This record gives sequence, structure tokens and C-alpha cells, in this order.
Amino acid sequence: QQQVKQSPQSLIVQKGGISIINCAYENTAFDYFPWYQQFPGKGPALLIAIRPDVSEKKEGRFTISFNKSAKQFSLHIMDSQPGDSATYFCAASKRDNFNKFYFGSGTKLNVKP
Amino acid sequence: GAVVSQHPSWVICKSGTSVKIECRSLDFQATTMFWYRQFPKQSLMLMATSNEGSKATYEQGVEKDKFLINHASLTLSTLTVTSAHPEDSSFYICSASLGQYGYTFGSGTRLTVV
Repeated sequence: QQQVKQSPQSLIVQKGGISIINCAYENTAFDYFPWYQQFPGKGPALLIAIRPDVSEKKEGRFTISFNKSAKQFSLHIMDSQPGDSATYFCAASKRDNFNKFYFGSGTKLNVKP
Repeated sequence: GAVVSQHPSWVICKSGTSVKIECRSLDFQATTMFWYRQFPKQSLMLMATSNEGSKATYEQGVEKDKFLINHASLTLSTLTVTSAHPEDSSFYICSASLGQYGYTFGSGTRLTVV
């Protein structure tokens, strides 16, 4: 059973546009929600993360929006660039086992020039 | 920042042979390391958690005798795929814990079994 559900599976955005990737979870024990960026043939790299005590976190062009009541969180990439083309994974972990991450199925983003 | 070096980046082996993948923490001590498997266009699936000096904890469905994990030092964890078969072909990724909520990944190993 997929603990974290991610959509869309793939996304095409024009350069300068906004890319939005969504994730949803059921387990209320999750309390840490990171996003990872992965380029082909490479390991994932942490992009940005949020805890449920805040509704939004922004780092440069990347923003996480978090809706605790809906158990949803999303990644927004503003002014998307071709270099942002990669696969993005959301994840979640629990306070009592914070090292065990449950990953979403991934979104392949293609930013067209 | 903290770096995990993973080698080899790719390996091709014959069916029935064993392959060892290494992950080293370069500038920090990794008490806990994790091994993931990723099939093409799919997400990362945790295979096992290894703690320095103790036996690895395997996730349900992962054959511990097939995927041998050794974490003998604070800077090195190894995954050995024993008697590899074509269905073991995959992308294997290690990661290391940096403490609460800190987590860094290796660059991955593409294993192809022919």
C-alpha cells in the first residue's frame, strides 16, 4: 500500500511557468515531509522540506504548501527553467522512526525552453 | 556538506556471480545507513537499514541471504548481491543519516545482470 500518493506522474511546463506537484498521505503520524530531486543516473538530492507546524516554506524558487487538515502537501517551482527538468519525489517520515522514509511514486518534470 | 560516495556507479555481471557495492561517508561518521532499490521510472523502495556494528534490518519481502549488508565501520557500508540474476538488475542507492531529519544519498549504482 502506497503510504504517500503523488501526482501527476509526468508534467510538461514552459520555461518561466509554474510547476506544481501534489502529494497526499493518510497516516497522521507523519511529521516530516521532504521533497527530493533526482537527475537520471544519480541519487536523489534533498530540495526542500517542511514540518506540519507551518503551512508554507519557501526557498528561492521552490515553495512547499502544506495542508494539515487535508493531509496534502505540494511543491511549487516558480519561474521553471530547463535545468529543473528532473524527477521529483515527495516523502514522509514519522517522529518515532524519522529515518524511515516513505516515498511517493515520482513526477517527471520536463521544462521546455 | 556531508557526502556519501557510492561505487561503482555501474556494473555488469554474469548471472550467478556476486557483486559488491560500497558506500562511504567522506566527511562524517554514519552510524546508520540505508539501502534502496529503484526500478526504472519507479520510486525508491527501502531494502534495509544498517547500523554500524550490528546486523542489518531488512524490510518485508527482501531476501537477507541474497542481499548481504555489512556495516563494519562508521564510514563504510556494503551491499553484496549474491548469485545475481537478471531480475536483480536495478538501480541501487545508499543513504546515510545525518541525525534527526538529515539524510544524504549516494549517487547510485546501476546493476545489470546478463
